[in-house]
Amino acid sequence: DTEVTQTPKHLVMGMTNKKSLKCEQHMGHRAMYWYKQKAKKPPELMFVYSYEKLSINESVPSRFSPECPNSSLLNLHLHALQPEDSALYLCASSPRLGIVVSQSKRLGYGYTFGSGTRLTVV
Amino acid sequence: QKEVEQDPGPLSVPEGAIVSLNCTYSNSAFQYFMWYRQYSRKGPELLMYTYSSGNKEDGRFTAQVDKSSKYISLFIRDSQPSDSATYLCAMRKTGGFKTIFGAGTRLFVKA
Repeated sequence: DTEVTQTPKHLVMGMTNKKSLKCEQHMGHRAMYWYKQKAKKPPELMFVYSYEKLSINESVPSRFSPECPNSSLLNLHLHALQPEDSALYLCASSPRLGIVVSQSKRLGYGYTFGSGTRLTVV
Repeated sequence: QKEVEQDPGPLSVPEGAIVSLNCTYSNSAFQYFMWYRQYSRKGPELLMYTYSSGNKEDGRFTAQVDKSSKYISLFIRDSQPSDSATYLCAMRKTGGFKTIFGAGTRLFVKA
């Protein structure tokens, strides 16, 4: 299994709602990431987990709350979002947080991304 | 100044053309360079990676890094309509934990 699965694919929520995004991988990767991507913009790093511990928080507002219950699962809990938070939320994983030298493009420097959750806040 | 600059395009070419996609960067500490392909409504997919300077070839794709000019390129030979996507360059520093992405270039290959 060489993929990252994200659910739901689409989500519409009101500004007072609480919802969660889910990400799952079974590649044995120990680093997992949340990115936010607006239209025609590069992915922006939000959070990084390494061995189920939060390693990097890119000064993300507290209305976004990440959780890593186990090595295969990553959640992003959403509460009191604003319309400007509407974006594609991407989950990614990599074997380790740092560089892993490998001849295979499936390991090494790159991430495996999920297809994303397209979030609309109304 | 952004750390990574990439022309957003769109770039439109006929099928069979050679495509050249480029990024420039400002931080000489970047040592690891990657190209991702992103189809509409999908997550990015790793295409190529290179370390430091030099060329790397994989099928129809060639990645080049010129560290002296802080310039990286992706060439696509015999382009196909299925190559139509957004191509993002990305890079990391030695010992760094963050990958910095370019904004992406939208490519259209016309049949």
